[in-house]
Parts: sequence; C-alpha cells; structure tokens
Amino acid sequence: GAVVSQHPSRVICKSGTSVKIECRSLDFQATTMFWYRQFPKKSLMLMATSNEGSKATYEQGVEKDKFLINHASLTLSTLTVTSAHPEDSSFYICSARDPGWGAGGGLFFGSGTQLSVL
Amino acid sequence: SQQGEEDPQALSIQEGENATMNCSYKTSINNLQWYRQNSGRGLVHLILIRSNEREKHSGRLRVTLDTSKKSSSLLITASRAADTASYFCATVSGGYQKVTFGTGTKLQVIP
Repeated sequence: GAVVSQHPSRVICKSGTSVKIECRSLDFQATTMFWYRQFPKKSLMLMATSNEGSKATYEQGVEKDKFLINHASLTLSTLTVTSAHPEDSSFYICSARDPGWGAGGGLFFGSGTQLSVL
Repeated sequence: SQQGEEDPQALSIQEGENATMNCSYKTSINNLQWYRQNSGRGLVHLILIRSNEREKHSGRLRVTLDTSKKSSSLLITASRAADTASYFCATVSGGYQKVTFGTGTKLQVIP
C-alpha cells in the first residue's frame, strides 16, 4: 500500500525554539495533506488542510502564525511549530490523500511525531 | 469541528471473543472509515464503507452503516492479543472530503 513518511518521530526542544516536521508521500503524489494533533488518550484533531501550491486552510482555533504549513511539492508538506511552548507538546500526525483511490478514500498516515517542549 | 462519538471508550475482552465498537456522527457523510492506532504510533486504515453501503467485510472485520441513525459499528471476530489497540471511526464529508475522527475506543484483548 501507499507509504507516508513522517520525520522526525520524536523531538525534544527548548521553549522558544522552532521545530519543523516533514511529511512525505513516498509512492504517490498528494495534492492534499492533512495535519492532526493528538493529546494523550484523545482523538485526532484536524489542524489544517495543506494543498500543494496554495495556502493551507486552518481549522477554527488553530493559530496560523504559530503552526506554519508549507506544501511546496506534490510529495512534501512541512509543519513548523514556531516559538514552541510547553503547551505545544503533543503528538502530531500527518496524512496524505492518494488521488488514485477515488473520492474520499486513500488517506494514508505518517507514523507521527512526539513533540516535547521543555 | 464536528466529531463522532464512539462507545465504549474502553473495552476489555478475552482472546477469541468478539469485540464490537460503535460510532455515531452528526452530519451527512460521503463515507465512513475505521482506523487502528497502536500506542504512540500513526494510524492504519482498516476499512471504508460508502454512504450507500450497509455492510462490508474484510477478513475478521465487519462494518455496518446506518445512515438514518447516523451510526456505524465495527465488529472484530475471534479477537487476538495483537488486536489490542485504539480504534477510531472517521467520517468523510463535503466537497473537500474533510475527514473528522471520532473519540476512539481502546480495545484490550487479554491472552
């Protein structure tokens, strides 16, 4: 099946620094990628929808200046957590849609990134 | 954002038993999908059922969908210890195919 690679899997950083997370579709071109945030023992909350070549669409309550999303190519989307604070500590997961699967299907997930801000 | 509700929140069964998880949602959908997540890992797609389908099977998995009640169920038959994980339903709706996840059911299968 389709593979989505997410890197890094775990990152620990100091408060005030910025962290970049990469999401790559390895064997298909993804015009749309999604970024989710998951708190411990909770469900996934959609943060933003990333469309190749255009600005990301952010969900209500998500700070676009805080969580910068770039989808510069059909196989790569990045999420940058700027000026990270301890409350940004969370599990971040990306997903990419394989258009070859038809409408609504073909959503493949990365393995996630555990961010810990000290 | 709209989010489905799943029940039970946690389920503990003996190996060999069947596990049933339910998902309810609020708006009309294009399709509904079930995912599995092992602790601290990404999600694995299990099965997709379209809005015009009522039941679907895949191996030991059986999914039903009742659009009139806006609910779905996932049945895992003859459970194994390796089935221990969290299971999420996700609805896909709208022209942008937005995916919204339910609250999840944590399944523990005791050997």
